[in-house]
Order: sequence, then C-alpha cells, then structure tokens
Amino acid sequence: AQRVTQPEKLLSVFKGAPVELKCNYSYSGSPELFWYVQYSRQRLQLLLRHISRESIKGFTADLNKGETSFHLKKPFAQEEDSAMYYCAFTGGGNKLTFGTGTQLKVEL
Amino acid sequence: GAGVSQTPSNKVTEKGKYVELRCDPISGHTALYWYRQSLGQGPEFLIYFQGTGAADDSGLPNDRFFAVRPEGSVSTLKIQRTERGDSAVYLCASSLMGPPNTGELFFGEGSRLTVL
Repeated sequence: AQRVTQPEKLLSVFKGAPVELKCNYSYSGSPELFWYVQYSRQRLQLLLRHISRESIKGFTADLNKGETSFHLKKPFAQEEDSAMYYCAFTGGGNKLTFGTGTQLKVEL
Repeated sequence: GAGVSQTPSNKVTEKGKYVELRCDPISGHTALYWYRQSLGQGPEFLIYFQGTGAADDSGLPNDRFFAVRPEGSVSTLKIQRTERGDSAVYLCASSLMGPPNTGELFFGEGSRLTVL
C-alpha cells in the first residue's frame, strides 16, 4: 500500500534559521508528490508539487527516489511560515494520500 | 462561487442520529473528493467522484457512510447511526481532473462534526 511518513509532529526554529520538513514515501513505481500547507484559520492549500520544480515562498523540495524522500526546505525561516505542513503522495493513478503533518513554529 | 463551499461548518448531533454534509465544488471541476481529518491526523481519504459516479470509495470506513453526487456538481456525504468515533472535520476538495492527472486539489473549510 502507498504510504507517506512525516516523522516530526512539531518543528520549532528561530527566525532566519534553515528549515527542513521531512517526508518519506513507500511506493515502488513513479510517484507524484506534493506539499500542502494550512495557515492558521485558513483552508488547506497546495504549496508546491515536485513536477513543477519551482520555488514557492522560498520553499523547495526535491524528489529523491533512492531515499524515497521529498523533504521541504527553506534557507531562512520567516515568522509567516508558521503553519501546518502536509506531505501528500499519489502513485499509479490513485487518490492523493496525506501524511500526518508537521507543525512548523518559527520563533522570533 | 469562488471556492469550494461546505455546509454546515459545524454540526453537533447525538449518537445514533443521521447526518448530511454538503459540498459545493468549484464550477467546472469534474473530480470531487471527501476526506476526514481527526485531531492530530492528516486528511484521510474517504471517496472520490469523477462526474456523477463514485470512482473510488475504498476509504469509506463502513456501510454507515454513503455519498452521492447526482448531477455531477454538489455532493452530499451521509452518515447513518452516528457514533462518537465519527467526530472529525470532514473536508471536501475538487480538482479540474481526477486521477491519474489529478493536479491541484482545492479544499473547502470543512464541516466539523461532533457526536455526543
């Protein structure tokens, strides 16, 4: 079965520090991976997808098939980055499966 | 409307009652999804529709849960004989196309169901 794992429930960093939110998946084929974000009192929304290979709000994520990972990174955290981040995955044309999420807290 | 709309935003009911949750997707989106999110968990897939038909209902936990989308637009998630364990936020999302070319899912704000 396809599964996505986010090992950290909470990640706390200081403003200006680098951020890395971990995501690992289990799937033997070619996956499609996404990061969704939920800011306080807002709805869940797409942050980025690996196919696009773009940087959104300073965040990037690279698909590493060897390590089956899709970690989300940002070199310098900002206060407005505080939110809940969900890694999501689909493989073989199936529905989107979400991880349990990581709460990012950026402290001043 | 501009986005996915879900009603009610909050529903409190008693154990054993019947509940309906409604989702109005973005106009023109053919795919519609229902997810359930319990406290401290990520969204858990329930069912998705491609047009009027349920293309994948493998996530429905049991036969107390049922969903329809009769005209390929608005969808209703129906829960019979509610149990306390059904308490969660029920999220609806829509996308222009469904799997395997899913693209971005646009989520509603959710319906928070509390079963007493």
